[in-house]
Amino acid sequence: DIQMTQSPSTLSASVGDRVTITCRASQSITNWLAWYQQQPGKAPKLLIYRASTLESGVPSRFSGSGSGTEFTLTISSLQPEDFATYYCQQYSTPSPTWTFGPGARVEIK
Amino acid sequence: QITLKESGPTVVKPTQTLTLSCTFSGFSLSTNGVGVGWIRQTPGKALEWLALIYWDDDERYSPSLRGRLTITKDTSKNQVVLTMTKMDPVDTGTYYCVHSGYSGYSAYWGQGALVTVSS
Repeated sequence: DIQMTQSPSTLSASVGDRVTITCRASQSITNWLAWYQQQPGKAPKLLIYRASTLESGVPSRFSGSGSGTEFTLTISSLQPEDFATYYCQQYSTPSPTWTFGPGARVEIK
Repeated sequence: QITLKESGPTVVKPTQTLTLSCTFSGFSLSTNGVGVGWIRQTPGKALEWLALIYWDDDERYSPSLRGRLTITKDTSKNQVVLTMTKMDPVDTGTYYCVHSGYSGYSAYWGQGALVTVSS
């Protein structure tokens, strides 16, 4: 199994801040990585796929980068609706052995 | 517009079998490349892929749960069913039905079904 880790696990930030979350894979996944946002009580929402491609309808303040084993999700200017938990997911292995990171919670400072 | 909705029991007893249904609209499971799968979210293991069934009846299962899971589809009813045997309290969590394909990421999720395993 490919293990995914995320850091930090919790991040305190203010509206307008630039926020970066890191996701690391235990082995190279090329760029087969997706990012999701989850609000409390809701299903995860796809933000980015193939490490840096923005899903349709997702605000441009979200961006993704990286390849191999290290990836980042950046929110350029945090908005009130962005306080949520963010998950990365690798999909480089055969289905459905795809794995998620443990999540990174962005909370209000 | 693609939508998916899970249905099933909210409580099951330990050792029992869980049966969850996913009813979807906005796409056909007979279309080349389309799949429907199940992901669960538990306190212990966060988000975890369970099973996936493709348009051509190809079934895929999580290796760690393979012996307990069965996924089936009824294309005419736009429905996918997941059964999980030998339920245990650690299986307590929210079970999501998702639209997927060979791509590996899921843009469409159901609202989730909370399942509690308790005697």
